[in-house]
Amino acid sequence: EDQVTQSPEALRLQEGESSSLNCSYTVSGLRGLFWYRQDPGKGPEFLFTLYSAGEEKEKERLKATLTKKESFLHITAPKPEDSATYLCAAAGGSYIPTFGRGTSLIVHP
Amino acid sequence: GAGVSQSPSNKVTEKGKDVELRCDPISGHTALYWYRQSLGQGLEFLIYFQGNSAPDKSGLPSDRFSAERTGGSVSTLTIQRTQQEDSAVYLCASSLSATENTEAFFGQGTRLTVV
Repeated sequence: EDQVTQSPEALRLQEGESSSLNCSYTVSGLRGLFWYRQDPGKGPEFLFTLYSAGEEKEKERLKATLTKKESFLHITAPKPEDSATYLCAAAGGSYIPTFGRGTSLIVHP
Repeated sequence: GAGVSQSPSNKVTEKGKDVELRCDPISGHTALYWYRQSLGQGLEFLIYFQGNSAPDKSGLPSDRFSAERTGGSVSTLTIQRTQQEDSAVYLCASSLSATENTEAFFGQGTRLTVV
């Protein structure tokens, strides 16, 4: 059974304080690792797809990396508008993305 | 359309009534997914379609839940004889193809409240 575990559950940062979110996955035959951002009352917004270990992708203050067992979402010098829940999902042989419970990030000004 | 569209955005129904939730995927997307998100919980997979076929229905919580997709486009999720535990946000997503594992794009969800 595919499993995705995210940590920490919640994270509070001061504006400008860089940090990383973790996503550990157990998936047979990884076909894609996905990161999403979800704001309250809205659907998840796609951020990144990673396909193979060693791959990295960047978008503004966010950088996603992938190893054979986990993915990290690095947030550099965050701003209050980066506050949201960040979701990780992994898809394997079943083709169905399995989601973690998310990390709730709050960035204080 | 430009994005995944779900309707209604909010639905309040009485226990025991049937409800239908609609999802209109991004044009050209052959894969369509239904998930459920309860307060403080992760996204729970319900069912996915590749074209009009549903290869995996294992996530449907009970036989009160059913879904169909017609014309490779619009999908309807039906919940019969609703129960209070069905209250949640129902999210629909679409992607170019399930087997290619391209990223899925989500709609805004339907918030279902069973009273």
